[in-house]
Amino acid sequence: QSALTQEASVSGTVGQKVTLSCTGNSNNIGSYAVGWYQQISHGAPKTVMFGNSLPSGIPDRFSGSKSGTTASLTISGLQPEDEADYYCSTWDYSLSAKVFGGGTKLTVL
Amino acid sequence: EVQLVQSGAEVKKPGESLKISCKGSGYSFTSYWIGWVRQMPGKGLEWMGIIYPGDSDTRYSPSFQGQVTISADKSISTAYLQWSSLKASDTAMYYCARHGTLVGAGDYWGQGTLVTVSS
Repeated sequence: QSALTQEASVSGTVGQKVTLSCTGNSNNIGSYAVGWYQQISHGAPKTVMFGNSLPSGIPDRFSGSKSGTTASLTISGLQPEDEADYYCSTWDYSLSAKVFGGGTKLTVL
Repeated sequence: EVQLVQSGAEVKKPGESLKISCKGSGYSFTSYWIGWVRQMPGKGLEWMGIIYPGDSDTRYSPSFQGQVTISADKSISTAYLQWSSLKASDTAMYYCARHGTLVGAGDYWGQGTLVTVSS
């Protein structure tokens, strides 16, 4: 049971906008910025968003937001290469540890 | 260019010890945290712990406290993850990641080290 809850799977067509969500509580998402990580075919994870900041080299079709205890990663203009597993993560002060969501498998139809 | 380069794959027997490494380059190693993440076969990411090489401040996930030891040698810009007695259930891919702050997201990741524990 992950501390953060993500959809198990999401799908979209090329060019579509999709939003992945990550739900926590006041101990984690409600208090800290959220990071989003992309993992393609079980390769090494890559950071696609931390807080509302886009890392260097990540296309600006990726954007992040947060409302209360839910964070979201939006991909506008979905591309075939965006097909991957996406994980959210943040700090949890009640655990004094980082926590991950269970991951969302994004399929590009 | 920031890089985290991890040591190669390992095959060990239950009960053996192991230390894997993560070498940072292209940045000030002592000014960033290095975290470790486990991914068991077919499963998601799990946070294990984190170290600040500047002063060796180390934090562990409650799930991994006492099961592993995280350390760093700042003279060679390398962080370590070690086990004193491996179990079959330690079979997994292990990743290191750089963090700007303790509570912040990782920004750069290592390529991963596959650890296989089998008799």
